[in-house]
Amino acid sequence: DQQVKQNSPSLSVQEGRISILNCDYTNSMFDYFLWYKKYPAEGPTFLISISSIKDKNEDGRFTVFLNKSAKHLSLHIVPSQPGDSAVYFCAASAYGDASKLTFGTGTRLQVTL
Amino acid sequence: SAVISQKPSRDICQRGTSLTIQCQVDSQVTMMFWYRQQPGQSLTLIATANQGSEATYESGFVIDKFPISRPNLTFSTLTVSNMSPEDSSIYLCSVVGYVTSGRKRGDEQFFGPGTRLTVL
Repeated sequence: DQQVKQNSPSLSVQEGRISILNCDYTNSMFDYFLWYKKYPAEGPTFLISISSIKDKNEDGRFTVFLNKSAKHLSLHIVPSQPGDSAVYFCAASAYGDASKLTFGTGTRLQVTL
Repeated sequence: SAVISQKPSRDICQRGTSLTIQCQVDSQVTMMFWYRQQPGQSLTLIATANQGSEATYESGFVIDKFPISRPNLTFSTLTVSNMSPEDSSIYLCSVVGYVTSGRKRGDEQFFGPGTRLTVL
C-alpha cells in the first residue's frame, strides 16, 4: 500500500526552464509534507516543506504547492540548473509528527545544458 | 547541518551471516531512526532507536532480524541478522532534534550517507 506516490520515475528538463515534480498521497491524515534531494552515494538532504494549513511555500528557486482536495503536491524549480540533477523524494507525516516520514519512490531529475 | 557518518559505506556478504552498521552523529540528537531503501523502492522506516531502551519497530520489522542499539545520544547500530539476498538494500540512519548553533532543529530530519549492502 503505497501511501505516497511519485508516478514519474524520471524527468529531463533543459537548463533555465522550469522543473515540475509531482507527488500524490492517499492518507488524509498526512498534515506535513517535505521534499528531499538525493545525490548518488549520499543520504537525502532536506529541501523544502509545507504544512497542510498552507497551499504554497517558497524558498528561493524552489516552490512547493499543496492541493489538499486533490491530495497532490508539486515541487517547482525555476530556473533549473545542472546542479539540480538528482533524485527527488516526496515525504509526508501525520498528526504533526514530522519525525515519522512516509516516502515516495523518487523522481530522477536530469537538467541538461 | 548535521554531520552523520555510517560504517561501512558498503559491503558484500554471504547468505546466513550478519552485518552491523554503525551511525555516528557529530552532536547530540533527540531521535535516531533506521531506514531501508530496497532497489527501486522508497525509503521505508525500520525502527526508532531509543537511547537506553529497546527500539520501536515498524510493522513488518522485528528485533530478532534487525537488532538495534543506541547507547548514547550520538551513536546507534543496526544489525541485519541471518541475511538473505532479499536484504540487499541501502540502509540509512537519520536524526531529528539536532542542536545546531544553539537552536534545536525540531522537525528537520538529517540523513546519513547510507550503507549499501549486497547479500549473495
